Amino acid sequence: AQTVTQSQPEMSVQEAETVTLSCTYDTSESDYYLFWYKQPPSRQMILVIRQEAYKQQNATENRFSVNFQKAAKSFSLKISDSQLGDAAMYFCAYRSPFSGGGADGLTFGKGTHLIIQP
Amino acid sequence: KAGVTQTPRYLIKTRGQQVTLSCSPISGHRSVSWYQQTPGQGLQFLFEYFSETQRNKGNFPGRFSGRQFSNSRSEMNVSTLELGDSALYLCASSSMKDPGLAVHYEQYFGPGTRLTVT
Repeated sequence: AQTVTQSQPEMSVQEAETVTLSCTYDTSESDYYLFWYKQPPSRQMILVIRQEAYKQQNATENRFSVNFQKAAKSFSLKISDSQLGDAAMYFCAYRSPFSGGGADGLTFGKGTHLIIQP
Repeated sequence: KAGVTQTPRYLIKTRGQQVTLSCSPISGHRSVSWYQQTPGQGLQFLFEYFSETQRNKGNFPGRFSGRQFSNSRSEMNVSTLELGDSALYLCASSSMKDPGLAVHYEQYFGPGTRLTVT
């Protein structure tokens, strides 16, 4: 079974600064997808960014980018020019591309609470 | 296009009772997944439905069950409620058309149902 670990329960950053959230995972599969989700106080989960393991190029979405290190099984999220609206819980998630045969949903880490200091 | 809706948003039940939660996916989406979120265990996959068929189930006891109707709306049921079932239950839908390619489709989450068992 796959596991996802987020070692930082909480992070704090000054507005307009850059912050990096860490995520490591364990899997025996060679192909998979990784995601970062944001959960603001409203509790609605929002997809921030996704990365296909077979792609060497790191995904970027505006101020959000990832550092995907497949050999190290590391998938960190960098938020540039932090804004007050970025304050939320951030979850790293893994999904296998192989369907059926058991749990096939997203496997989530425990989350990192990101605080933005004005 | 309307997002994923979940009803009710809040629910209080007593130990031993049963509860039914409802999820209406985004129009045109045929896949619905359910997740349980608790402070202790984090986000855990419950089950996934596609075209009225349960494709996968997470590691939860048989007290947790679900179904999907022909209009893609889904319900999950928890019987003989325990205090530990208190959680936020999240539903997600995707536009997946081929279950074998599930991972390629983004999951859109609803606002969740907060269940409190007393």
